[in-house]
Amino acid sequence: GAVVSQHPSRVICKSGTSVKIECRSLDFQATTMFWYRQFPKQSLMLMATSNEGSKATYEQGVEKDKFLINHASLTLSTLTVTSAHPEDSSFYICSAFGGLWGQETQYFGPGTRLLVL
Amino acid sequence: GQQVMQIPQYQHVQEGEDFTTYCNSSTTLSNIQWYKQRPGGHPVFLIQLVKSGEVKKQKRLTFQFGEAKKNSSLHITATQTTDVGTYFCAGPSGTYKYIFGTGTRLKVLA
Repeated sequence: GAVVSQHPSRVICKSGTSVKIECRSLDFQATTMFWYRQFPKQSLMLMATSNEGSKATYEQGVEKDKFLINHASLTLSTLTVTSAHPEDSSFYICSAFGGLWGQETQYFGPGTRLLVL
Repeated sequence: GQQVMQIPQYQHVQEGEDFTTYCNSSTTLSNIQWYKQRPGGHPVFLIQLVKSGEVKKQKRLTFQFGEAKKNSSLHITATQTTDVGTYFCAGPSGTYKYIFGTGTRLKVLA
């Protein structure tokens, strides 16, 4: 099946620094990728839709200046958490929309655990 | 806005017992997807249901889409320890975009 990778898998940073997370679709092209956030024992909350070659679409309540998304190619989307604070600590998961024609679905990356000290 | 709720929130079962999780949407859905997330892992796509009243089976898993296309269920027969994880349903909310349900965490006691 389709493979999506994320890098890094785990990151610890100091408060005030910025962290970039990469999401790659390895064996298919994805014009649309999604970024989710998941707190412990909670559901996945959609943060934004990343569209190749255009601006991301953010969900209500998500600060676009804090969570910068860039989808520069058909296989790569990046999420940058700017000026991270402890409350930004979470599990960030990306997904890429793709697959066989008529059977497209979301393929999730393995996630990135962010801890802000 | 659109909401997708699941019950129960948690379920502990003895190995061999059956398990069911229910998914309810505040709006009519064109389709519904189910995912499984193992502890510490990421969601893995299980299935998509499209037709009203549709029932699909995957080995011990039975998925059903309600007649009104606002609810769905996942039933696992004779649970095994490998079934442990959180099961999410997800409904479409725009182009390619899906809203995830609240999830049901399953624990199987050996």
